[in-house]
Amino acid sequence: GQSLEQPSEVTAVEGAIVQINCTYQTSGFYGLSWYQQHDGGAPTFLSYNALDGLEETGRFSSFLSRSDSYGYLLLQELQMKDSASYFCAAQGGANNLFFGTGTRLTVIP
Amino acid sequence: GAGVSQSPSNKVTEKGKDVELRCDPISGHTALYWYRQSLGQGLEFLIYFQGNSAPDKSGLPSDRFSAERTGGSVSTLTIQRTQQEDSAVYLCASSYGTPGPYEQYFGPGTRLTVT
Repeated sequence: GQSLEQPSEVTAVEGAIVQINCTYQTSGFYGLSWYQQHDGGAPTFLSYNALDGLEETGRFSSFLSRSDSYGYLLLQELQMKDSASYFCAAQGGANNLFFGTGTRLTVIP
Repeated sequence: GAGVSQSPSNKVTEKGKDVELRCDPISGHTALYWYRQSLGQGLEFLIYFQGNSAPDKSGLPSDRFSAERTGGSVSTLTIQRTQQEDSAVYLCASSYGTPGPYEQYFGPGTRLTVT
């Protein structure tokens, strides 16, 4: 079966750093994606990791450890507009992308 | 260029009625996906189309759900004899190639309410 675990809620202060963890269990694994979704909006792509290590894109970075079936999204210099839900998604096969239940991030002043 | 569009944006229907939801993917994208998202929940995969290959229907929750993609472009998701548990936002996404490395572009969704 397929399963992804991520915290349901995280609260952090504006300007701080926050890490959202994701552990996955899939019958096959190609890579891990992260998507952001604001309330009432559509999910938007943030990053994709196929290999172990850290991928950095501006204030956002994503990490993958295939041996630990684990990844995380790191958000730096938090801004109020970063308040949203963040989903990890495991590519379990050539055609399959399974989404976690999402982490709701609330950034407070 | 235009993004993924879906229609209608909202649909209220009575239990037992059939509904059709439409998705127009980004031109040139060969892959198209349907997901369902209940309030405050993650995305539940429903069906996947890739080019002219047979669709991956493994996520469809029951035989009341079906989808087709005509001409490799527009897709229609049909729910027959709707039930209250079908109430959710139905999201369509398209991508240039296989998911993961190829970013999925999502449409705004259709909010379905079954009364």
